[in-house]
Amino acid sequence: RKEVEQDPGPFNVPEGATVAFNCTYSNSASQSFFWYRQDCRKEPKLLMSVYSSGNEDGRFTAQLNRASQYISLLIRDSKLSDSATYLCVVSISGTYKYIFGTGTRLKVLA
Amino acid sequence: NAGVTQTPKFRILKIGQSMTLQCTQDMNHNYMYWYRQDPGMGLKLIYYSVGAGITDKGEVPNGYNVSRSTTEDFPLRLELAAPSQTSVYFCASNDGGSGYTFGSGTRLTVV
Repeated sequence: RKEVEQDPGPFNVPEGATVAFNCTYSNSASQSFFWYRQDCRKEPKLLMSVYSSGNEDGRFTAQLNRASQYISLLIRDSKLSDSATYLCVVSISGTYKYIFGTGTRLKVLA
Repeated sequence: NAGVTQTPKFRILKIGQSMTLQCTQDMNHNYMYWYRQDPGMGLKLIYYSVGAGITDKGEVPNGYNVSRSTTEDFPLRLELAAPSQTSVYFCASNDGGSGYTFGSGTRLTVV
């Protein structure tokens, strides 16, 4: 089983739609959680950290469910510019290493 | 504030050649990392460093070497390049526990 698993997609959604991605992790010692965005042929960029209480940044909401070992990302009112690959990232307690999922590809259609 | 700077952006190597990928950060981060990303795959950790003079292996260290003589620089050395090392290489840094800042990547092709 992969340490971090994501549905690769693609998720094809119309502009203005709401879309949600989940990411599951296998290590219960996972400590920190992040969502990154990666555009084609570019470096990953931090979208948001994920906190236990859930957090929101504009149209983006992240949730963490430690009991079920998954994190989620909700995007409301999708824009064409949201088209990208979204990477789930998990750090393991006691290590300096972050584990990356393979990403979920989102295409927002006009 | 440049963040993380990687050079070169592109390189073509012949099998058996060697090269060094440069990485510099100006954020005074202690932690630096080298990842490779193959098409359709996640990022794989090659080597990391928790401070000047300290380095450690990641998941896929074979065929690579690193050094960390200063806080700012973390070069990655490829010895005897092989086609399996064709990939995109990303350098990243953070201050421990926070999200990474990535460089723009080096696209390497070994022919």
